[in-house]
Amino acid sequence: DAGVTQSPTHLIKTRGQQVTLRCSPKSGHDTVSWYQQALGQGPQFIFQYYEEEERQRGNFPDRFSGHQFPNYSSELNVNALLLGDSALYLCASSLRWNPEKLFFGSGTQLSVL
Amino acid sequence: QQQVKQSPQSLIVQKGGISIINCAYENTAFDYFPWYQQFPGKGPALLIAIRPDVSEKKEGRFTISFNKSAKQFSLHIMDSQPGDSATYFCAAGGTSGSARQLTFGSGTQLTVLP
Repeated sequence: DAGVTQSPTHLIKTRGQQVTLRCSPKSGHDTVSWYQQALGQGPQFIFQYYEEEERQRGNFPDRFSGHQFPNYSSELNVNALLLGDSALYLCASSLRWNPEKLFFGSGTQLSVL
Repeated sequence: QQQVKQSPQSLIVQKGGISIINCAYENTAFDYFPWYQQFPGKGPALLIAIRPDVSEKKEGRFTISFNKSAKQFSLHIMDSQPGDSATYFCAAGGTSGSARQLTFGSGTQLTVLP
């Protein structure tokens, strides 16, 4: 049983560019949450998708947007990249919102130069 | 009101010793308190979690102590092993309203010396 898979594993972009990160949830899960983890910090909640709609959003600017597809996979898009966007981006999935059954992927390491 | 404060930032213990990490929260809507373990290059993995209806939960060498009135909880690792060396995060979440997410502490880098 595949867990949460994220792609790519590493990505290098320059300031001002746009990036798309992808996440496939664990089999049987329908809710996807995205987190940003800066170096030496705890993960910070970006947003959560369920039934193809954004259900919860953390304190992130509109440059951060997302999408959920009918197969429950999800994308995170970041426009107009800033140096401060360099971080590990984590995807987590669950069935509905059930924090007891939340599984994380290994993340995408984004470097903005 | 969404903050979770974690201490210490780093911790060094000898093999066989006890590791203790503390967290405090503010949002009374939180009703789920997990601890995650993260190794370099990996995502966080759930270690142990507690609900506020109990004051302590033990799983093997790992114990969570929970103080609802003080809004504090802690992780105790007994008989610490070098393989326990990792970053530990406390978190808090809930099942209603704006608490329907996990809010993480800033992490504790644990090093267990052989």
